[in-house]
Amino acid sequence: SYELTQPPSVSVSPGQTASITCSGNKLGNQYTSWYQQKPGQSPVLVIYQDNKRPSGVPERFSGSNSGNTATLTISGTQNMDEADYYCQAWDSSAAVFGGGTKLTVL
Amino acid sequence: EVYLVESGGGLVQPGGSLRLSCAASGFTFSDHWVHWVRQAPGQGLVWVSRANSDGTSIAYADSVKGRFSMQRDNAKSTLYLQMNTLRAEDTAVYYCARESLGPPRAFDFWGLGTLVIVSS
Repeated sequence: SYELTQPPSVSVSPGQTASITCSGNKLGNQYTSWYQQKPGQSPVLVIYQDNKRPSGVPERFSGSNSGNTATLTISGTQNMDEADYYCQAWDSSAAVFGGGTKLTVL
Repeated sequence: EVYLVESGGGLVQPGGSLRLSCAASGFTFSDHWVHWVRQAPGQGLVWVSRANSDGTSIAYADSVKGRFSMQRDNAKSTLYLQMNTLRAEDTAVYYCARESLGPPRAFDFWGLGTLVIVSS
């Protein structure tokens, strides 16, 4: 079965750029989505189709996907961006999620 | 505004059954594929199952295949998950999620989730 691998944690200082990677075999050959989940809340879509932002998602969120790695980038990270982030791709009919990355802003 | 509201969670003994519901509103339910995704306490998101727009094609994760059954009632804009032979490892918050009209495919709206605890 298809697997996506994320680093368990990433730390960033306020105002700096945070990058969260997601690795999977030939991941660049399909679209990847990213979800933000804050404690006690449901996931929220922040990036789809590798680099598109849904309405309402701040411009500081961006994405890329090439080769075996997709990357979520948060520019000018704010305290409110502290959350768990999950990448997601597809394995035929099934959705596959990465294990999640806890982003700490300190 | 899009709403997905899950219900039916609770405490159940191992080997027992539970039926979850997800009531949708604010959009044309029958246009969208829908999914169940679960999250064990302190753990990540795990896909459980999905139904195509008219419910004629259902897919399940291997971990629940043969025990869980997903259905949808487009007339009622409601999604169901019948869970049988429950195990401790099924303990999780269960979310229903709407798949965007694609391609590309993504989960563009999520419910608040309903907690299922399997314990004696």
